[in-house]
Amino acid sequence: DVKVTQSSRYLVKRTGEKVFLECVQDMDHENMFWYRQDPGLGLRLIYFSYDVKMKEKGDIPEGYSVSREKKERFSLILESASTNQTSMYLCATQTGQGGEKLFFGSGTQLSVL
Amino acid sequence: AQSVTQLDSQVPVFEEAPVELRCNYSSSVSVYLFWYVQYPNQGLQLLLKYLSGSTLVKGINGFEAEFNKSQTSFHLRKPSVHISDTAEYFCAVIRSSGTYKYIFGTGTRLKVLA
Repeated sequence: DVKVTQSSRYLVKRTGEKVFLECVQDMDHENMFWYRQDPGLGLRLIYFSYDVKMKEKGDIPEGYSVSREKKERFSLILESASTNQTSMYLCATQTGQGGEKLFFGSGTQLSVL
Repeated sequence: AQSVTQLDSQVPVFEEAPVELRCNYSSSVSVYLFWYVQYPNQGLQLLLKYLSGSTLVKGINGFEAEFNKSQTSFHLRKPSVHISDTAEYFCAVIRSSGTYKYIFGTGTRLKVLA
């Protein structure tokens, strides 16, 4: 089975801190995604990457950046955390074949105080 | 652009009763359709998907969904629910060509009561 590992389950940070969320996959998938999940809003795409060092903005990229230096690792960076970035963050991977399903990590609940 | 509407934010149902979770989508191009489930404190996992062919799709845990192109719907059904089906369910669409950008609905929280 595909394993998508997010480094932290819960994270508490202060306003203005730089925050790194890490995601590692073990199945050599080309595509990796970062979503944020908020009650009543569903999942919204922040960024996705279709290859090493390649990235594309999603629907809500403001305040975020990403890094993919190795195929298996996709990092989400909050340059200066703000309270409105308190949310559940989900990483997902996909093989790259059209119509294939997403594999999700278990999520990181980030609280910015 | 595509969009997905899940009209019911919460659905309470008694154990062993049938349930239907509604999903409507909007798209000017051909799409693939998915249902994902999220159990408490977990990420999402695929329940079922429609790519082409038979409009009735069967998934895991006894769930099924029917693609209705004329009504642009992809409702999820289960004839008899269990307590363990309590979870949040997300409908999602993706264009059948040219992009990997999934559009998710806002989710329906299914609560199965004893």
